[in-house]
Amino acid sequence: GAVVSQHPSWVICKSGTSVKIECRSLDFQATTMFWYRQFPKQSLMLMATSNEGSKATYEQGVEKDKFLINHASLTLSTLTVTSAHPEDSSFYICSAVARDRGLGQYFGPGTRLTVT
Amino acid sequence: SQELEQSPQSLIVQEGKNLTINCTSSKTLYGLYWYKQKYGEGLIFLMMLQKGGEEKSHEKITAKLDEKKQQSSLHITASQPSHAGIYLCGADWAQKLVFGQGTRLTINP
Repeated sequence: GAVVSQHPSWVICKSGTSVKIECRSLDFQATTMFWYRQFPKQSLMLMATSNEGSKATYEQGVEKDKFLINHASLTLSTLTVTSAHPEDSSFYICSAVARDRGLGQYFGPGTRLTVT
Repeated sequence: SQELEQSPQSLIVQEGKNLTINCTSSKTLYGLYWYKQKYGEGLIFLMMLQKGGEEKSHEKITAKLDEKKQQSSLHITASQPSHAGIYLCGADWAQKLVFGQGTRLTINP
C-alpha cells in the first residue's frame, strides 16, 4: 500500500513562534495533498488543498497567511503555522492522492501540535 | 451546516452485540469512504463504495451505499473490543474528501 509520513509526530512550541510540519509520500508521487485539522472529540476539518507547483487552495475560514502551505515537489508538502497561539493546538493530518493509483487518498499518521 | 451527517454521534454497546452507524448526505455520493480512527492517530481505511446499492464486507464489518447514493451504513457484527474507536465517513466531492462528524464507538466487556 501507499505510505504517507509526517514529521514531526508531535511538537510543542511557544506562543508567537512558527512551526513547520512535513508531509511526505514515501513510495508514490502525489499531485495533490490535503491538510486537515482535528480538535479533540471532533472530526477532521479540511484546511487546504495543496497542488504541486501551484498555490494552495484554502477552505473558507482558514487564514492563508497563518497556515502557509508549500508543495515543493511531488513527494513533499509542508504546513507552517506562523505566529502560533494556544488555540492553534490541534492534531494536523495530511493526505496524499496517488497519481498512478487512481484517486484514492492515503493519510499520514498526524502531527500533534501544542502551543504553550 | 454539516454536508455529511453521521448518526449516532456516540455509541456504547456490549461486546458481542451488533451495531450500525449511518452516514447521510444532502448530495449524491459519488465516492463514499469509511475510516476508523483512534484520536491522536492516523486514519485506517476500511472501505470505499461508489455504486448505488453496493455492499462490501471485510471480516465483521459490512458497509452499504443505498440506491439513491445519499446514505451509507456501516454494520459491525458480534462487536469486539478491537472495534472501539471513532468511525468517520468521508465523501469525495470535487476531488476533496469531506468528513462527517464521526461516531465514537465504545465496546463494554
